[in-house]
Amino acid sequence: EPEVTQTPSHQVTQMGQEVILRCVPISNHLYFYWYRQILGQKVEFLVSFYNNEISEKSEIFDDQFSVERPDGSNFTLKIRSTKLEDSAMYFCASRQEGAMNTEAFFGQGTRLTVV
Amino acid sequence: SQQGEEDPQALSIQEGENATMNCSYKTSINNLQWYRQNSGRGLVHLILIRSNEREKHSGRLRVTLDTSKKSSSLLITASRAADTASYFCATVTSGSARQLTFGSGTQLTVLP
Repeated sequence: EPEVTQTPSHQVTQMGQEVILRCVPISNHLYFYWYRQILGQKVEFLVSFYNNEISEKSEIFDDQFSVERPDGSNFTLKIRSTKLEDSAMYFCASRQEGAMNTEAFFGQGTRLTVV
Repeated sequence: SQQGEEDPQALSIQEGENATMNCSYKTSINNLQWYRQNSGRGLVHLILIRSNEREKHSGRLRVTLDTSKKSSSLLITASRAADTASYFCATVTSGSARQLTFGSGTQLTVLP
């Protein structure tokens, strides 16, 4: 069964460093998302991406964040200068285009720890 | 309350019992989805119910949706220890990208 894959599963980084979280969405999906979940809190929407551009983004997705689809398969989230409060689980998701009533498939997540 | 709030926050039952979790939301929705998350793991899609549907079944899962009350419930029948997880409702509202807005989840513990 096709699945969304994320790498790495766990990343530890020093405050102020840049990190890139990687995702390979399901191959025939056209909508891509990043969500995050701070430990013990709810899953929060960060950004959606379609047709090689950002469709929507939340208030969390400030200038420190960027997304890219550098080739036909990868979808990356970059945090330019990490802060302690960026520590969270980051989930990538993808969805087929078409009917609005389609499910999103999530990856297993990358646990980011900023020290 | 915020969009997609579940109650109870935590639920502990014996294996074989039924588990009911509720979700309330505030805005109009296109659909509502339930997800499951094992501790520290990814989100697994369980079931999607459209705004024009009232009830949906999938195996041991039964979901209801009451758009007049802006609420949904997830019933897991004949629970098993392996059902222990966090359960989240997520709504899809307007917007071109149709992102999900998650609730805070119900932690279900099924005791063997």
